[in-house]
Amino acid sequence: DQQVKQNSPSLSVQEGRISILNCDYTNSMFDYFLWYKKYPAEGPTFLISISSIKDKNEDGRFTVFLNKSAKHLSLHIVPSQPGDSAVYFCAASVNKGMRFGAGTRLTVKP
Amino acid sequence: EAGVAQSPRYKIIEKRQSVAFWCNPISGHATLYWYQQILGQGPKLLIQFQNNGVVDDSQLPKDRFSAERLKGVDSTLKIQPAKLEDSAVYLCASSFRTGGGSTEAFFGQGTRLTVV
Repeated sequence: DQQVKQNSPSLSVQEGRISILNCDYTNSMFDYFLWYKKYPAEGPTFLISISSIKDKNEDGRFTVFLNKSAKHLSLHIVPSQPGDSAVYFCAASVNKGMRFGAGTRLTVKP
Repeated sequence: EAGVAQSPRYKIIEKRQSVAFWCNPISGHATLYWYQQILGQGPKLLIQFQNNGVVDDSQLPKDRFSAERLKGVDSTLKIQPAKLEDSAVYLCASSFRTGGGSTEAFFGQGTRLTVV
């Protein structure tokens, strides 16, 4: 059920720089996309979402971009902070429960 | 506002034994999900309830897994008999609604199951 893919298992960036996490999906019926952040021994925490009728959504340092024609979305974190170090999951849904990617481990170095 | 509560946090059982997990969603959330997260993978949806009805259980291994949500609030997920490959973190999540304007789901801390 690989409908949502995160092809980069890890990403390392310097503090203050931009982090860009990518996600691809195959099901064109998905109408709602989300990013979750996960720390060890905790459940995923909701970060930001975007509806399929939009192509951009911002919340503070976090911006999600959606390219429906390419079936691609990305999460930009600017500026990156050491506390952003975590595993980031991309998820997509249509009426039913979310389908998740495998996650990208982000490390922000001081 | 209290979050999603799950218990137990950890469980170790032998293969072929049975185990049950409990979840109490956020008050007022009609939709409840159970996810299985195997190490190194993303969460995989097992079952979704809308109130006390099942919306999606297409990925639930029904020969050994069962779930119920009596009265549309708390839920239990059971595995009987357990296999080694069931070792994973079982996450419960809830959301206010789905469909026609989805909202984000809130997750509990999960139950880490180890089958030996």
